Amino acid sequence: KNEVEQSPQNLTAQEGEFITINCSYSVGISALHWLQQHPGGGIVSLFMLSSGKKKHGRLIATINIQEKHSSLHITASHPRDSAVYICAVGDSNYQLIWGAGTKLIIKP
Amino acid sequence: GAGVSQSPSNKVTEKGKDVELRCDPISGHTALYWYRQSLGQGLEFLIYFQGNSAPDKSGLPSDRFSAERTGGSVSTLTIQRTQQEDSAVYLCASSFSSGGAYTQYFGPGTRLTVL
Repeated sequence: KNEVEQSPQNLTAQEGEFITINCSYSVGISALHWLQQHPGGGIVSLFMLSSGKKKHGRLIATINIQEKHSSLHITASHPRDSAVYICAVGDSNYQLIWGAGTKLIIKP
Repeated sequence: GAGVSQSPSNKVTEKGKDVELRCDPISGHTALYWYRQSLGQGLEFLIYFQGNSAPDKSGLPSDRFSAERTGGSVSTLTIQRTQQEDSAVYLCASSFSSGGAYTQYFGPGTRLTVL
């Protein structure tokens, strides 16, 4: 069993749909990161969470420390949101363990 | 040791000076990443190297930043004419290959303070 598991692995949706990507982890963490990787390969850090909820524009990230679970939500999805979304958990030694990623395609 | 090492661990410099940060990845790891983390902020991707391919420099914030990787191993991140906003922890990571499925092992970081 992987230490960080994401679901779904692939997600195709229509423009405007509400999107949820889930991340479960089995290790102790200091922080959880949501990152976005575009087809060109560059990685953008979306959120860093250690508790609660964060919102940035149409993106919302939540984390439940007791349940070791985090979700990334996208409201009013748009084709430009198409990318791979990666959940990664970091321990106190900066070792970052990555999930396998969720490939999101938003169709116009 | 078998982990990723970085040097120096701390660097204090004056605005306008150049600095060089070094990263020694885990032996056999073909992918090497540089990130920075400003106080209270998430990881900011800077650059990554994969084998002998041209590096992905899309995250470098300005042309004052450059990086090279010699012989597919050691990497140096250079910041020219440092500014106060460059103050951050600079983290290097390596993995067996690139892509989200591979665990990235991070070094301890270099804390850069620009006065």
